[in-house]
Formats: sequence, structure tokens, C-alpha cells
Amino acid sequence: RKEVEQDPGPFNVPEGATVAFNCTYSNSASQSFFWYRQDCRKEPKLLMSVYSSGNEDGRFTAQLNRASQYISLLIRDSKLSDSATYLCALTGGGNKLTFGTGTQLKVEL
Amino acid sequence: EPEVTQTPSHQVTQMGQEVILRCVPISNHLYFYWYRQILGQKVEFLVSFYNNEISEKSEIFDDQFSVERPDGSNFTLKIRSTKLEDSAMYFCASTGNSNQPQHFGDGTRLSIL
Repeated sequence: RKEVEQDPGPFNVPEGATVAFNCTYSNSASQSFFWYRQDCRKEPKLLMSVYSSGNEDGRFTAQLNRASQYISLLIRDSKLSDSATYLCALTGGGNKLTFGTGTQLKVEL
Repeated sequence: EPEVTQTPSHQVTQMGQEVILRCVPISNHLYFYWYRQILGQKVEFLVSFYNNEISEKSEIFDDQFSVERPDGSNFTLKIRSTKLEDSAMYFCASTGNSNQPQHFGDGTRLSIL
């Protein structure tokens, strides 16, 4: 099993739709979890940290399920500008980030 | 908002040459990292640096690679003898606390000919 797994997509959704991504991880000792957004050939930009209690930032909601070893990202009311690749990342025993391959989102008119 | 800055944005080098990629982390950050991303692949960890020494490195970070913090602001990645497979985007990142999110620079595109 890969350390971090994501469905590569692409997810093609109309503007205004709600879309959800999952990311599974294999190391139960993983400590910190994040969602990053990456535009084509650009750097990863932090979208949000992910907590067991769930956290929300505007249209974005992230959730961590330690028992099932996955994290999720929900985007409500999708905008054209949300089109990007969404990267799941986590830290284990050290503080290096391990990334998934990313899920590509395309929001269409 | 403070940023991690990287130079150059694009470096083209002949195979076998040495390259130095430069990064200026966010000023009050203490933990520094290099990652790379080969085109079409995922972001991969190379090395982490704290308190003037390497704290962790991946199997990619072999003897051809080295890092240095030559002064109070710069953090550099040197590749001694570049190979074709070193062609990638190289990202520097920093954070003030090892449990806090890492912030990435906009990367250096390294092309080896």
C-alpha cells in the first residue's frame, strides 16, 4: 500500500457544485495532516491543516478520520478559480512532508 | 505576508556541471527543507535542516547533494555533478515549528542537458 493515496481524477464539475476528495494513508503513526493546492507548474500552497475535530475555512471543509486512516476535503459552491490539483500531505515520525500524487479538479461553466 | 523566495527561477545546465539553488526562508523560521518534483510526478522530500545540521534526508539525497546555510538568511542546495534525471522543479520550504505547516517558495526549474 502506498504511503499516501489519492484518486488522480480529473474531477470535472460545474460551477456551483459541491465536490469531495479523499486521501488514504498507510502509516497509523502519522501526526500532522494538510491539504495543499498546486496550480500547473507552481509551488504547493497551503490550503488548510486537518484536525480530527474537522475544520472549516469558508467554502472548504477538511476532516481527519484516524480510525479509517483517511482525510477528506469538501469544496462547496465551486468556482472556476478552484481548478487546480489538490495535494494531500502528512508528517510521520520526523517532520518531512509526504505528499500524495494529487487530485485534479476542473470546474467548468 | 512573508514569503519564501528562490533563485534562479530557471536554471539550464550541462550534465556533469555543478549547480547551486538558493532560497531565502521566512525570516523567523527555524526549519528548512528541500523538495523536488519531476514533471508529472508527486512532490518528493529531499532533506530537512535544523540548527545548522541535516535532521533527515531521503535516499534521493545522495553524495552528489549538499545543503548549506552560509549566513543568517540563505539556504542553498548544491548538486555537485548533475545528471539528466536531476531535471525537476526544486522547492524550498520553511516553518517556525516542526508541527506547523510548511510554506513553499515558488521553485527553481532545473533543466539538465
